[in-house]
Amino acid sequence: KAGVTQTPRYLIKTRGQQVTLSCSPISGHRSVSWYQQTPGQGLQFLFEYFSETQRNKGNFPGRFSGRQFSNSRSEMNVSTLELGDSALYLCASSPSLDSSYEQYFGPGTRLTVT
Amino acid sequence: AQSVTQPDIHITVSEGASLELRCNYSYGATPYLFWYVQSPGQGLQLLLKYFSGDTLVQGIKGFEAEFKRSQSSFNLRKPSVHWSDAAEYFCAVGDGAGNMLTFGGGTRLMVKP
Repeated sequence: KAGVTQTPRYLIKTRGQQVTLSCSPISGHRSVSWYQQTPGQGLQFLFEYFSETQRNKGNFPGRFSGRQFSNSRSEMNVSTLELGDSALYLCASSPSLDSSYEQYFGPGTRLTVT
Repeated sequence: AQSVTQPDIHITVSEGASLELRCNYSYGATPYLFWYVQSPGQGLQLLLKYFSGDTLVQGIKGFEAEFKRSQSSFNLRKPSVHWSDAAEYFCAVGDGAGNMLTFGGGTRLMVKP
């Protein structure tokens, strides 16, 4: 079974631009969560989608948004990029909202904002 | 709000030595606790998890962790460290309602030959 895939793996953007990151979960998984990882703030939860509905949202500004498609693939979008948005963005998939199931993480998208 | 503290930012151990990584959490109810490992350039891999029952849980790669409610701790242990264990380790807590996790700051493990 293929793992969680994230595209692109690396991205360089300029301040003020917007960016869209993509996450394809493991086949059959309906939950997709997104995390931001930075040296200063560590791993922070962005949001979780299940069956195309946002179930949880972390404490991030409205510039950060996401969506999930009927095939469970998910995208997150960051508008009006700031230097502080430079980070590794990780997505994780799970078959269920039940936390007893393992979440599988992708390799991440490394975003650099200049 | 839930929180996780990993007091040790860096730890260096000799290959073959035992290892204990500390994790303290703050959560009102019975927490869902996890340990993840991240190798350079990689995503996170689940080592083990605790929801209920036996407070000593076994994980992959020879790791184990013990849940101590009285100390709000969930420390990770391994009896004999291998050079391939060098990585960053994250403790996390969830509330069981969905997959949102709160992570600790991580502990970077270095292994001396």
